[in-house]
Amino acid sequence: DQQVKQNSPSLSVQEGRISILNCDYTNSMFDYFLWYKKYPAEGPTFLISISSIKDKNEDGRFTVFLNKSAKHLSLHIVPSQPGDSAVYFCAASAVNQGGKLIFGQGTELSVKP
Amino acid sequence: GAVVSQHPSWVICKSGTSVKIECRSLDFQATTMFWYRQFPKQSLMLMATSNEGSKATYEQGVEKDKFLINHASLTLSTLTVTSAHPEDSSFYICSARDLFQREARLVQFFGPGTRLTVL
Repeated sequence: DQQVKQNSPSLSVQEGRISILNCDYTNSMFDYFLWYKKYPAEGPTFLISISSIKDKNEDGRFTVFLNKSAKHLSLHIVPSQPGDSAVYFCAASAVNQGGKLIFGQGTELSVKP
Repeated sequence: GAVVSQHPSWVICKSGTSVKIECRSLDFQATTMFWYRQFPKQSLMLMATSNEGSKATYEQGVEKDKFLINHASLTLSTLTVTSAHPEDSSFYICSARDLFQREARLVQFFGPGTRLTVL
């Protein structure tokens, strides 16, 4: 039962263009969503989060959009840089579940110069 | 801020031995820490939630007698893989939450991970 899904295992984008990473969820009790970036053999690095009371959160080049009715969130990276190449995980949490994070399968982003 | 360290970063051991992995929050207090494992090309799977001063809560399918978790202080949690076997070889990652950070209390900060190889 995959409650958080990232249906695209990989994405390739040209440097300077926009990267859009997508994530869908099924559990309507999720009320907090996060994006992490991960390099091989390293722990994930927190990028940005959004509460379910908002539909957009922006931090520099990173913007997360939340569509609660569609149970969908996306991460936009503008402009994309080669250093953004990594695996991106979305994660979801429900406040009544002790703060546990449920992770998607990840999307490997490759930004080409 | 919000730095989490893990030690060791990699370990190779013989089958049947026990291995201890430490997870420390360096600049904040973490009443709750989490332990994950990740297989190649797969997502992070939560193994257990570690609460300071109380017993850990294990996810379904995780053997609590095999993966011993101790959270003795607000900055340290340990995971001991007992009687390790080759199938326990994996990448183990811990995370911690800073509950005093009001705006981001649900954000987990991750350690760099520990690569365990059991021969």
